[in-house]
Amino acid sequence: DTEVTQTPKHLVMGMTNKKSLKCEQHMGHRAMYWYKQKAKKPPELMFVYSYEKLSINESVPSRFSPECPNSSLLNLHLHALQPEDSALYLCASSLGQTDGYTFGSGTRLTVV
Amino acid sequence: KQEVTQIPAALSVPEGENLVLNCSFTDSAIYNLQWFRQDPGKGLTSLLLIQSSQREQTSGRLNASLDKSSGRSTLYIAASQPGDSATYLCAVRNAGNMLTFGGGTRLMVKP
Repeated sequence: DTEVTQTPKHLVMGMTNKKSLKCEQHMGHRAMYWYKQKAKKPPELMFVYSYEKLSINESVPSRFSPECPNSSLLNLHLHALQPEDSALYLCASSLGQTDGYTFGSGTRLTVV
Repeated sequence: KQEVTQIPAALSVPEGENLVLNCSFTDSAIYNLQWFRQDPGKGLTSLLLIQSSQREQTSGRLNASLDKSSGRSTLYIAASQPGDSATYLCAVRNAGNMLTFGGGTRLMVKP
């Protein structure tokens, strides 16, 4: 298995909803990442988990809450989002510091 | 802080042309550099990964070079095809699990 799988592919949520994005990989990678990408912009780093521990939080608002239940799974819990949070959310993983990143196909999130 | 720049921002060419996409970075203390392809609304597909000790990597019609000392990389696409139309992103990896992206080059190959 050489993929990062993200679900759902599309999500529409209201500003008072709570939802979660899921990311899964079975490549034995020990670092997992969440990125946010707005239209025609490069991905922006949100969070980094290394060996299931949060190692980097790029000053992301608390309405985004990451969770890493095990080495294969990464969640992003969403609550009280704003319309400007609408974006493509990408998950990625990597094995070691000299290895490349593998990205998932993303979740297209629309906040209404 | 690492900064990555890609030139040109957009490129439109007729089918069959050979192309060069450019990427430059400010901090040469990198672990590796990775070129990605992104189709509209989709995720990132890794094309080539060049380690800091390497000078180039090849995959099919794609060739990427790296000159770490000058902070430059190029992606060469031979005999371009309409299916190559996409955004191409360059990303460099520094210490601390940080991947820094360039702004991308939007490529359109016309039949």
